[in-house]
Amino acid sequence: DQQVKQNSPSLSVQEGRISILNCDYTNSMFDYFLWYKKYPAEGPTFLISISSIKDKNEDGRFTVFLNKSAKHLSLHIVPSQPGDSAVYFCAASSSGYALNFGKGTSLLVTP
Amino acid sequence: DGGITQSPKYLFRKEGQNVTLSCEQNLNHDAMYWYRQDPGQGLRLIYYSQIVNDFQKGDIAEGYSVSREKKESFPLTVTSAQKNPTAFYLCASSPGLAEETQYFGPGTRLLVL
Repeated sequence: DQQVKQNSPSLSVQEGRISILNCDYTNSMFDYFLWYKKYPAEGPTFLISISSIKDKNEDGRFTVFLNKSAKHLSLHIVPSQPGDSAVYFCAASSSGYALNFGKGTSLLVTP
Repeated sequence: DGGITQSPKYLFRKEGQNVTLSCEQNLNHDAMYWYRQDPGQGLRLIYYSQIVNDFQKGDIAEGYSVSREKKESFPLTVTSAQKNPTAFYLCASSPGLAEETQYFGPGTRLLVL
């Protein structure tokens, strides 16, 4: 049973605009959340993370928001750049166990 | 230059053959992991290891085996019992297991002849 869900398989955004990628989870024990970026035939690259004690974490153009009551997190990329085009995976864990990944959202940033 | 290396980049397996995928890290991380990615799917956990000489099954361990004799190395063997081995295999490591970011290697693509 998929505990981390990314319901949008793909997203297309114009360069310079905001990209918003969404992720929902079902396990209330999850307390650490991450976003990874992946290009084809390469390993995922860590982007940004957030602990359950926070509701927002920002790193440059990337911001992750966590809504624990809704079991929802989102990744905002602003401004979006063509180099941001990749598959983005949401992942979550509870202390003492490995990560659970969503199926990914393919982001295309068009010039 | 610290990181995680996986070899080979591509691997071909014949029917009934066991093959071993290599994963090495020089990050001094305690925990290591193996994931499998299929087209259109997320990463699914095969095995993980918190410390040397200890490892645990993940969600899809059947048909796979691992060893952790050294902190730096976590090889994965795809046995003949794995009926659908064609996939992209990713190794990762993290400083520990709890609330730690995992860092991934470049992956190995396994194809069946």
